[in-house]
Amino acid sequence: ILNVEQSPQSLHVQEGDSTNFTCSFPSSNFYALHWYRWETAKSPEALFVMTLNGDEKKKGRISATLNTKEGYSYLYIKGSQPEDSATYLCASTTNTGNQFYFGTGTSLTVIP
Amino acid sequence: DTAVSQTPKYLVTQMGNDKSIKCEQNLGHDTMYWYKQDSKKFLKIMFSYNNKELIINETVPNRFSPKSPDKAHLNLHINSLELGDSAVYFCASTSGGGWETQYFGPGTRLLVL
Repeated sequence: ILNVEQSPQSLHVQEGDSTNFTCSFPSSNFYALHWYRWETAKSPEALFVMTLNGDEKKKGRISATLNTKEGYSYLYIKGSQPEDSATYLCASTTNTGNQFYFGTGTSLTVIP
Repeated sequence: DTAVSQTPKYLVTQMGNDKSIKCEQNLGHDTMYWYKQDSKKFLKIMFSYNNKELIINETVPNRFSPKSPDKAHLNLHINSLELGDSAVYFCASTSGGGWETQYFGPGTRLLVL
């Protein structure tokens, strides 16, 4: 079992604030890091997949970075909007199989 | 065009019953998964199949039995349902490599009374 940790567990920000959260994963046998957005009563929706150290991905106001040597990824949201309220999940995969190891998520609430 | 579909969406049943949840993907993916969302919203892997073969079988009671009739389908059969089985069950699929995006179904909300 791979230990993937996310922090903080939950976060409340005001509309317009920028925010970021962390995903930590074991760097040995690392293969890829996935970020998902998970709205209440829906299913997780993929945001990014990153594989290389130093990778940066961006989609609109959301971006992510990857450090495979130290085993962490950051997700940034610029100018948070109420519709950004969701749980953000990360998952790590290894080069030894097809299993996705999920973190426990960061629950983001954006207050209008 | 639903990529990963699950039926039923809601399932309310009595303790001791046997029930099945079906999952189908039309993405041409080789690998499919079943996850259980626990009370803290954590996704716990239950099973994974690759081309109809079981590749991941986590510590799950043997009352849970997956069946993959073809690579587009992965069904979950649960015998002798217990109260603790109440949860949301998600099916997912990916084209196989750990770098490929995993697509989730809408979830099946199971309530055991």
